[in-house]
Amino acid sequence: AQSVAQPEDQVNVAEGNPLTVKCTYSVSGNPYLFWYVQYPNRGLQFLLKYITGDNLVKGSYGFEAEFNKSQTSFHLKKPSALVSDSALYFCAVRDDDSSSASKIIFGSGTRLSIRP
Amino acid sequence: EAQVTQNPRYLITVTGKKLTVTCSQNMNHEYMSWYRQDPGLGLRQIYYSMNVEVTDKGDVPEGYKVSRKEKRNFPLILESPSPNQTSLYFCASSTPGVNQPQHFGDGTRLSIL
Repeated sequence: AQSVAQPEDQVNVAEGNPLTVKCTYSVSGNPYLFWYVQYPNRGLQFLLKYITGDNLVKGSYGFEAEFNKSQTSFHLKKPSALVSDSALYFCAVRDDDSSSASKIIFGSGTRLSIRP
Repeated sequence: EAQVTQNPRYLITVTGKKLTVTCSQNMNHEYMSWYRQDPGLGLRQIYYSMNVEVTDKGDVPEGYKVSRKEKRNFPLILESPSPNQTSLYFCASSTPGVNQPQHFGDGTRLSIL
């Protein structure tokens, strides 16, 4: 069965410092991993995805994510945080196992707070 | 503008009074899905649809119904709402394929008293 874990409810970072938001996953087939961001009173917005290929994926707003197959992780990163990055971040997974490919599993979310 | 539109955005109602939340997308997407968002639980999939007249249960389908008579519309129906269905609901759509990201509506906040 698919599952996603975001072990941190909240991450606090000073502006200008690097940030990492953690995500680990479990799938029965090959993983397809996504990061989304949610601003107040809005729906989720797609940031980036991993399919196959390079383990470092670049996305919107300067974010990137590193896929690590051995650790089953897909951590979101940014070299220099901005106050405007403060939001709720969700990791999501699908897999290509035919019995579960249509389902999408989201993590519980991590609130990122960037202090000036 | 490409978008997913949900209505209403906010609704307060009472236990047992049937309600429908509409969802419409203008991107000609085959795949549509409903989620509920609860604090500490993230988003949980309620129902999804691979195409017209093709729907299936997600992880938390109890108490909900859906229909997909047209490609663009995917309404969520609560036949007899209960307080435990108080939540923030999102509709999303995408093209087919496990590697396709979802496009989300802005959400519907339901309060069932």
